[in-house]
Amino acid sequence: EVQLVESGGGVVQPGGSLRLSCAASGFTFDDYAMDWVRQTPGKGLEWVSLISGDGGRTYYADSVKGRFTISRDNSKNSLYLQMNSLRTEDTALYYCAKGTGGSSNWFDTWGQGTLVTVSS
Amino acid sequence: SYELTQPPSVSVSPGQTARITCSGDALPKKYAYWYQQKSGQAPVLVIYEDSKRPSGIPERFSGSSSGTMATLTISGAQVEDEADYYCYSTDSSGNHGVFGGGTKLTVL
Repeated sequence: EVQLVESGGGVVQPGGSLRLSCAASGFTFDDYAMDWVRQTPGKGLEWVSLISGDGGRTYYADSVKGRFTISRDNSKNSLYLQMNSLRTEDTALYYCAKGTGGSSNWFDTWGQGTLVTVSS
Repeated sequence: SYELTQPPSVSVSPGQTARITCSGDALPKKYAYWYQQKSGQAPVLVIYEDSKRPSGIPERFSGSSSGTMATLTISGAQVEDEADYYCYSTDSSGNHGVFGGGTKLTVL
């Protein structure tokens, strides 16, 4: 069974940093691209970032480009999101999601999310 | 930036057919995907590549796409289908995902 478990969320001040992690199991991790998607409380979904299965290609939403960095450690079956220069508008539930191939741009399974609150 | 447009809400009675639309300029060349999100839960994929249904998704869920509009159809909607539904696709480069604003489906 595919499982994705996010961690690392919390409360941080504007301008601060946070690193999210996603532990994956139940599939051959390096065969699949992975994404981060966020959801503002009570609102819709926003795609954040994508990394290919081999980690060689990364893409970002304009809203986070230059501030967030997606990475993965295939030896640890783990996905990461380093978030710097955080803003109040980054407050959201952050989901990791499993792609459907090494370079796919859509996803078939989601974790339960980790909550990030940016507030002074 | 690229946008997908959905109606904010759709309401039907149990047993009726619910149709949720999603419009976007790149949809003639890019697939649409549909995710269902029930209250307090993570999203679940219900339709991929415009019209394919993942295993475990009831046959009453179907999808289609024509021109700049994709449509999710729930034939004989059930009370348990009440949820927010999001369409998803990519921009013309294929490298940046985008979600529609979501449609709240009410079945009562």
